[in-house]
Amino acid sequence: EAGVTQFPSHSVIEKGQTVTLRCDPISGHDNLYWYRRVMGKEIKFLLHFVKESKQDESGMPNNRFLAERTGGTYSTLKVQPAELEDSGVYFCASSPRGYPGNTIYFGEGSWLTVV
Amino acid sequence: GESVGLHLPTLSVQEGDNSIINCAYSNSASDYFIWYKQESGKGPQFIIDIRSNMDKRQGQRVTVLLNKTVKHLSLQIAATQPGDSAVYFCAMGWASPRYSTLTFGKGTMLLVSP
Repeated sequence: EAGVTQFPSHSVIEKGQTVTLRCDPISGHDNLYWYRRVMGKEIKFLLHFVKESKQDESGMPNNRFLAERTGGTYSTLKVQPAELEDSGVYFCASSPRGYPGNTIYFGEGSWLTVV
Repeated sequence: GESVGLHLPTLSVQEGDNSIINCAYSNSASDYFIWYKQESGKGPQFIIDIRSNMDKRQGQRVTVLLNKTVKHLSLQIAATQPGDSAVYFCAMGWASPRYSTLTFGKGTMLLVSP
């Protein structure tokens, strides 16, 4: 069974440009999460989808970040325009319906560098 | 407020030793605690979890201890191996499906030398 996959694995963009990160959750997982870790900081929650609906987006830092999950399958996280402080690793995770946390599976992350 | 912190940023041990990684938390409302292991270039990998109605749980070579009185969580790794070298994160949340967010600590780097 394929795990959570993320694309691109690494991205280097200039300040002011746009980047779109993609996450393909494990097939059949209703819950999809985005987290990020900026340099020297802890991993922080961004938002949570249940199927195509945003269940909780309290962690989104500002309106430069837009997440979508069309059709309740894969999700995209767009940063527009990117700023230097957006550099870090963005993790996607998924879990089946319901929530015991031990079934949250993380992807390997998309490493973003804004220069 | 919600925060999870770590006492030691880096822990160096010899192969075969037992390792203990500590974590303090401040939100007494959380009822679910998890340890994750993150190897270089990979995402966090679930190790073990514990609910607030327990104070100890054992897995394969790992034990998690929870002290709710002092809001302290620890991960013990027995007979540490070089493959255990990674960053370890504690995280806290809720066992209820109504809540979805995990709050992570900053991470502790475990270095195992042969």
